[in-house]
Amino acid sequence: DQQVKQNSPSLSVQEGRISILNCDYTNSMFDYFLWYKKYPAEGPTFLISISSIKDKNEDGRFTVFLNKSAKHLSLHIVPSQPGDSAVYFCAASAGNQFYFGTGTSLTVIP
Amino acid sequence: EAQVTQNPRYLITVTGKKLTVTCSQNMNHEYMSWYRQDPGLGLRQIYYSMNVEVTDKGDVPEGYKVSRKEKRNFPLILESPSPNQTSLYFCASSLIWTISKGLYGYTFGSGTRLTVV
Repeated sequence: DQQVKQNSPSLSVQEGRISILNCDYTNSMFDYFLWYKKYPAEGPTFLISISSIKDKNEDGRFTVFLNKSAKHLSLHIVPSQPGDSAVYFCAASAGNQFYFGTGTSLTVIP
Repeated sequence: EAQVTQNPRYLITVTGKKLTVTCSQNMNHEYMSWYRQDPGLGLRQIYYSMNVEVTDKGDVPEGYKVSRKEKRNFPLILESPSPNQTSLYFCASSLIWTISKGLYGYTFGSGTRLTVV
């Protein structure tokens, strides 16, 4: 059973606007949540993370929000740039393992 | 350059013919892991290793073997590949897992696309 879910397979956004990628999870024992970005023919690269004791973490144009009561995680990209076009995976850790979502393909339209 | 190197990048093989996908990292990372990526299923963990000679099963270990004889290498072995192991495989590594996992996550290799016919 998928413990981390990304229900939107794809998202298109105009350049300069905000991109919001969403992720839901089921396991209340997750202690860290991360976002990875993946370009075609490359491995995923780490983008940003948040501890379960926080509700927001910001790094430049990227902000991750955590709503533990709703078991919901979101990544905000502001402003969106064409180079942000990629597949984004959310992931959550419990113990010695990470669990990944199925990914959301973001297209930023120039 | 700090990296995780997987070989080969592409592999087509026949059912039952043993194969090994190599993985090497040059960052002195303790933790290494193998994932497979399939459409609609995301990345699923096959095996992981906390350190040399320590390996554990992930979510989908059936049909795979691993070994960790040296810190830098973590090969994935398919003793008798079957068509349902056709997938995109990623090796990943991380510094001391319990400290770094929330800060840096993994460094991933570029992937190995395996087709079993």
